[in-house]
Amino acid sequence: EPEVTQTPSHQVTQMGQEVILRCVPISNHLYFYWYRQILGQKVEFLVSFYNNEISEKSEIFDDQFSVERPDGSNFTLKIRSTKLEDSAMYFCASNLPGTGGRKTQYFGPGTRLLVL
Amino acid sequence: DQQVKQNSPSLSVQEGRISILNCDYTNSMFDYFLWYKKYPAEGPTFLISISSIKDKNEDGRFTVFLNKSAKHLSLHIVPSQPGDSAVYFCAASEGRDDKIIFGKGTRLHILP
Repeated sequence: EPEVTQTPSHQVTQMGQEVILRCVPISNHLYFYWYRQILGQKVEFLVSFYNNEISEKSEIFDDQFSVERPDGSNFTLKIRSTKLEDSAMYFCASNLPGTGGRKTQYFGPGTRLLVL
Repeated sequence: DQQVKQNSPSLSVQEGRISILNCDYTNSMFDYFLWYKKYPAEGPTFLISISSIKDKNEDGRFTVFLNKSAKHLSLHIVPSQPGDSAVYFCAASEGRDDKIIFGKGTRLHILP
């Protein structure tokens, strides 16, 4: 069964450094998402991406964040200058409307980001 | 502001019995609801969903019930199995919005 993959599984970085989290969505999916889960809190929406542009973003997704689909398979989340509070589990998700329901998003295993 | 609430942080159920996980929501514009299951160190896995035009959806051992007047949904697992031990997230979306709003999750323990 096709699945969303994410790399790396863990990332440790110093505050102020740039990080890039990578995702390979399910191949025929058209909508791509990033969510995050701070330890002990709920999963929060960050951004959605369709047709090579952001379709929706949350208040969390400020100017320090950017997303890109650099080729036909990868979907990346960049945090330009990391802060301590960016430490969280970051999940990528993808969706093809019509499969499993209009809004059913399929999630990757996550990247655990630790900012020191 | 919690738009999706799961008030039970944990639930323990005997193997073979029914597990009932509850969820309440406040946004009457939500029109699609989902349940996800999550094991440690893995991403949320889609389980089952329901559109607001329905009040029940069943898939194998999993049934989701929606009571729109009460803004309440529940997930029933029958019979409960050891592999069902996980965190279950209730989630919802509204109209043409892409984002899914998650609850905080309920940790289900299936007891032998």
